[in-house]
Amino acid sequence: KAGVTQTPRYLIKTRGQQVTLSCSPISGHRSVSWYQQTPGQGLQFLFEYFSETQRNKGNFPGRFSGRQFSNSRSEMNVSTLELGDSALYLCASSLGGASGANVLTFGAGSRLTVL
Amino acid sequence: AQRVTQPEKLLSVFKGAPVELKCNYSYSGSPELFWYVQYSRQRLQLLLRHISRESIKGFTADLNKGETSFHLKKPFAQEEDSAMYYCALRGAGGTSYGKLTFGQGTILTVHP
Repeated sequence: KAGVTQTPRYLIKTRGQQVTLSCSPISGHRSVSWYQQTPGQGLQFLFEYFSETQRNKGNFPGRFSGRQFSNSRSEMNVSTLELGDSALYLCASSLGGASGANVLTFGAGSRLTVL
Repeated sequence: AQRVTQPEKLLSVFKGAPVELKCNYSYSGSPELFWYVQYSRQRLQLLLRHISRESIKGFTADLNKGETSFHLKKPFAQEEDSAMYYCALRGAGGTSYGKLTFGQGTILTVHP
């Protein structure tokens, strides 16, 4: 079955602009989590959505937001971009249950460069 | 607060040598621990998780609650094991779901 698909794969923005990233989960997966990966901070959790509701949130400013649609596809938005937002943004999908079988499958990521 | 520490940023071994990637965690309860691997130009993927007590690609990891460690081991390293390895923790209680706390990662290089 198809894996987690993220679009766009690469994008360049300038400071002050906003960006929207998209994630299509594996068919049947209802949970989508977002992570930011940078050389300095590593992998950091942004937020998780399940059945169109934000279920968990990391320690990021309000400029970072997301949503999930009824087909489980998710988008994340970053407004008023700063240079420090340059990163690889990873999306992961899972069945969403509480059991240990709830394993995350990651997409290839969207690499954002802010100039 | 939960934290995952991978003390070695870089680890180099020769093919056939044993390898151990260290992972220590800080968490007040009983977490779930995972090892994820990222090969060159590939996606981050699950290698193994402690609840499965399985061996994947010759790697094993034992959760030591007393030492709060989850070290990854392989008795005989292969060149194809060269990759970035991340240790990750998910909090217990069934509320963390898709929220993982990752260590900073260890780049393993296996020389021929």
